[in-house]
Amino acid sequence: AQTVTQSQPEMSVQEAETVTLSCTYDTSESDYYLFWYKQPPSRQMILVIRQEAYKQQNATENRFSVNFQKAAKSFSLKISDSQLGDAAMYFCAYVSNFGNEKLTFGTGTRLTIIP
Amino acid sequence: DVKVTQSSRYLVKRTGEKVFLECVQDMDHENMFWYRQDPGLGLRLIYFSYDVKMKEKGDIPEGYSVSREKKERFSLILESASTNQTSMYLCACGRGAWGNTIYFGEGSWLTVV
Repeated sequence: AQTVTQSQPEMSVQEAETVTLSCTYDTSESDYYLFWYKQPPSRQMILVIRQEAYKQQNATENRFSVNFQKAAKSFSLKISDSQLGDAAMYFCAYVSNFGNEKLTFGTGTRLTIIP
Repeated sequence: DVKVTQSSRYLVKRTGEKVFLECVQDMDHENMFWYRQDPGLGLRLIYFSYDVKMKEKGDIPEGYSVSREKKERFSLILESASTNQTSMYLCACGRGAWGNTIYFGEGSWLTVV
């Protein structure tokens, strides 16, 4: 079974600084997707960024980028120029090509932005 | 934008009660999911449905059942609520294409006393 590990329960960063959230995963499959989802306080979960395992180039979405290391099974999220609205729970998630969209989630990292 | 609506945001139920959590999506998506979210455990899949009347157990189905009579509606049923089912429940949907975005509802906070 696949597992996703987020070893940082809580992180904090000064506004306008950069922060990196860590995620590792375990799988025997070769083709899969990885995601970062954001859950703001009392609001619904939304997709931040996704990465297909066969794509070597790291995904970027504006201030959000990932460092995908397939051999190391590592998938970290970098948030540049942190803003107050980035405060949220961040979940790393995995889905295999046999998974029929069933996501396996990590335990989450709570990110606090310090003004 | 896809809208996933969970009918109740906050519920308080008594032990032994039958509880229904309703979820409706407006985008004709094939797949619907119920997840449970607990601190330190992340999200865990309870049940999954890939078509009307079709369902599949997730990782923690014990104590739960589901119903999908119409494509847009997916209900989670707690047959006899227990205190260890106090949690946040998240409904989600996806259009059945691998790697695409999964859309979530705002969640239902259930307290069983």
